[in-house]
Amino acid sequence: SQTIHQWPATLVQPVGSPLSLECTVEGTSNPNLYWYRQAAGRGLQLLFYSVGIGQISSEVPQNLSASRPQDRQFILSSKKLLLSDSGFYLCGGAKNIQYFGAGTRLSVL
Amino acid sequence: AQRVTQPEKLLSVFKGAPVELKCNYSYSGSPELFWYVQYSRQRLQLLLRHISRESIKGFTADLNKGETSFHLKKPFAQEEDSAMYYCALKSGGGATNKLIFGTGTLLAVQP
Repeated sequence: SQTIHQWPATLVQPVGSPLSLECTVEGTSNPNLYWYRQAAGRGLQLLFYSVGIGQISSEVPQNLSASRPQDRQFILSSKKLLLSDSGFYLCGGAKNIQYFGAGTRLSVL
Repeated sequence: AQRVTQPEKLLSVFKGAPVELKCNYSYSGSPELFWYVQYSRQRLQLLLRHISRESIKGFTADLNKGETSFHLKKPFAQEEDSAMYYCALKSGGGATNKLIFGTGTLLAVQP
């Protein structure tokens, strides 16, 4: 069965610092991959999705970027974090039904 | 616009009482809807989807296109049902499988 690995579980970063969150998938090949964010009091908002290596679609304009260097690797990045980037980030993968990682709680101070 | 609304942030019931978690959607076309659940210290997981018309852990959800609703129901709540529940709508064509989530409802089942 498909498993999503996501790390770290929590992260505290200063404003202006770079960010790299990694997500890897086990148990399947060529999955669709997704990055979601949940800000306080809001639902899960889709940030990026990818249907294949090097293919990234952005859903909302923001300070973040995503890359998919390998079939089962999806990376969320920022060159300079803002306070508003704080939130809970969730990686998802899907062949048919979506599965999710454990999430990363990011606090930008 | 495509949207999922869960009006209740918190629903507190006693063990054995009926449960209904509300979900309304906005979608032009034939919707595909899901309920996801997140138990304490566990990851988000699929509970059920409307096209399967199944009952999982005693929960059912019927798609009502007239009322644009997909409420989650269980006749007798159990303490182990306490969790965060998210309603989700499949968005995007083809095989993109994008999901639009509601804000979630925390179900607390009291003993």
